[in-house]
Amino acid sequence: AQTVTQSQPEMSVQEAETVTLSCTYDTSESNYYLFWYKQPPSRQMILVIRQEAYKQQNATENRFSVNFQKAAKSFSLKISDSQLGDTAMYFCAFMASGGSNYKLTFGKGTLLTVNP
Amino acid sequence: GAVVSQHPSRVICKSGTSVKIECRSLDFQATTMFWYRQFPKQSLMLMATSNEGSKATYEQGVEKDKFLINHASLTLSTLTVTSAHPEDSSFYICSARVEGKGQETQYFGPGTRLLVL
Repeated sequence: AQTVTQSQPEMSVQEAETVTLSCTYDTSESNYYLFWYKQPPSRQMILVIRQEAYKQQNATENRFSVNFQKAAKSFSLKISDSQLGDTAMYFCAFMASGGSNYKLTFGKGTLLTVNP
Repeated sequence: GAVVSQHPSRVICKSGTSVKIECRSLDFQATTMFWYRQFPKQSLMLMATSNEGSKATYEQGVEKDKFLINHASLTLSTLTVTSAHPEDSSFYICSARVEGKGQETQYFGPGTRLLVL
């Protein structure tokens, strides 16, 4: 079974600054995907970024980038030039490819507050 | 990204009644959809995996007779909460799987807030 750990229940950052959210996972799978989702106060889950484990290159999406360390089983999210709209709960998630039916295993989340 | 809708967004019902929630993939076909439950300030808890044309697979501890799932087409899955009670009050979220090498992802609906009086 997979586990996902987000060790920071809450974080805050000043607008325009950079913040990094931590995520570690444990698995015996060799092929898998990792995701970061954000859930703003509306509670809509929004895909922020995805990473395929077989790719060594870190994924980036505009102001969002990840630091994927496969050997260390670490998958942190960096948000650059933080904006007020980035205020949300951020969930790290793991998906094994193949036999486990492509289920997502979520961490407990990190509540990020961007201050003006 | 792909769009998933969910209806209704909010429902209030009396104890003992049944409530149906719809989840639709609007611009893609989804052979697999998922149903989650989320309590306030907590993470998502997977309830079941909905497979088009076959029976749903329920997670341990989830009552299949209580939470009926039907996935009759490639764009629609429904969750029916039967004989709802106040303890069933929660936020229910569905997701739809986008398949394929290099594309594997789940996209989420906006959620349904259920309040059972």
